[in-house]
Amino acid sequence: RKEVEQDPGPFNVPEGATVAFNCTYSNSASQSFFWYRQDCRKEPKLLMSVYSSGNEDGRFTAQLNRASQYISLLIRDSKLSDSATYLCAVYGGTSYGKLTFGQGTILTVHP
Amino acid sequence: NAGVTQTPKFRILKIGQSMTLQCTQDMNHNYMYWYRQDPGMGLKLIYYSVGAGITDKGEVPNGYNVSRSTTEDFPLRLELAAPSQTSVYFCASSYFVGEQTNEKLFFGSGTQLSVL
Repeated sequence: RKEVEQDPGPFNVPEGATVAFNCTYSNSASQSFFWYRQDCRKEPKLLMSVYSSGNEDGRFTAQLNRASQYISLLIRDSKLSDSATYLCAVYGGTSYGKLTFGQGTILTVHP
Repeated sequence: NAGVTQTPKFRILKIGQSMTLQCTQDMNHNYMYWYRQDPGMGLKLIYYSVGAGITDKGEVPNGYNVSRSTTEDFPLRLELAAPSQTSVYFCASSYFVGEQTNEKLFFGSGTQLSVL
């Protein structure tokens, strides 16, 4: 089983739609969780960290479910500019200092 | 504000050649990482380092070597390049202190490597 898994999509949604991505992780000892955004041929950039209590940043909401070992990202009122690949990342677990990424979920928002 | 600097940006190698991908950061980060990203895929960890003199293997270390003689530099060495190493390589760094999480990874702009 992969350490971190995502549904690769692609997700094709119209502007204004709400879309959600999930990411599962295998190691229950994992400590920290993140969502990164990557535009085509560019380096990934941190979108948001995921806290136990859940967190929200504008149209973006991230949640963590430790019991089921997954994190989620919800995007409300999708914009064309949200089109990108969304990568989840999981830190810690068995290897100190190791940050592992999922394979990414491709989102395309169309007019 | 240099951040994480990777060189070169592009490189074409012949099978069996060797090369070093350079990575340097000027943020005094203790953690540094090398990832590769194949087309349509996520990032796979090659090697990482939690401080000068300390390195450890990631998911896909075969065919690569690293060293971390200084806090700033974390070069990635490819010996005997193979077509399977054709990929985009990203170097990244972060700062971790005690129980605090490395909240943000700073990435270099990537190196596009083709092995023909």
